[in-house]
Amino acid sequence: QITLNESGPTLVKPTQTLTLTCTFSGFSLKSSGVGVGWIRQPPGKALEWLALIYWDDDERYSPSLGSRLSITKDTSRNQVVLKMTNVEPVDTGTYYCAHTDYGDYDRAFDSWGQGTPVTVSS
Amino acid sequence: QSVLTQPPSASGTPGRSVTISCSGSSSNVGSYTVHWYQQLPRTAPKLLIHSNNLRPSGVPDRFSGSKSGTSASLDISGLQSEDEADYYCATWDDTLKGPVFGGGTKLTVL
Repeated sequence: QITLNESGPTLVKPTQTLTLTCTFSGFSLKSSGVGVGWIRQPPGKALEWLALIYWDDDERYSPSLGSRLSITKDTSRNQVVLKMTNVEPVDTGTYYCAHTDYGDYDRAFDSWGQGTPVTVSS
Repeated sequence: QSVLTQPPSASGTPGRSVTISCSGSSSNVGSYTVHWYQQLPRTAPKLLIHSNNLRPSGVPDRFSGSKSGTSASLDISGLQSEDEADYYCATWDDTLKGPVFGGGTKLTVL
């Protein structure tokens, strides 16, 4: 059974760097086709994809945020870390990490964490 | 503004059917399979339909998906009160080189 759990600060000041960690179990990020993505949701708004990292170190970023994002993986600890620099109040929302696979689900996000709320405010 | 266009709201009465549409372009829906997510209030999204019309284990067959050209649809038959949720379509986009989501449709069961 795949599980993912997001962790990180709930409150961040504007201009700071937000660091979020996704700790997962039930799969390996060394397995061909496997990836972990980050998706966020501002209060009352739609889902927005942020970044993805695959088993082969392929990294993808949302063009609208790309220069502010960095995604890394630690396969030994089963973790994926997302860093977002220079945060602003509009970055407030719930941040989710999710499992994806080229194979069974054709790159759909088939398992999600419960989400972690982040507020950007001074 | 989302890359994929969904109606902001939809509604239906218990037992009836409802269809939610998702419109894209040749760089996304027209080239890749479409997935649908259900987000119940105050919970994380859940994969409902993948690869246009496939249901993950445990999803009732009241939910079905289809795709034609640059548009896709989610059909829900035999509406139940617990189907009240936000529904999102998603797919891959060649231009963005990553996944894209629709703006979401809030389904109300009257």
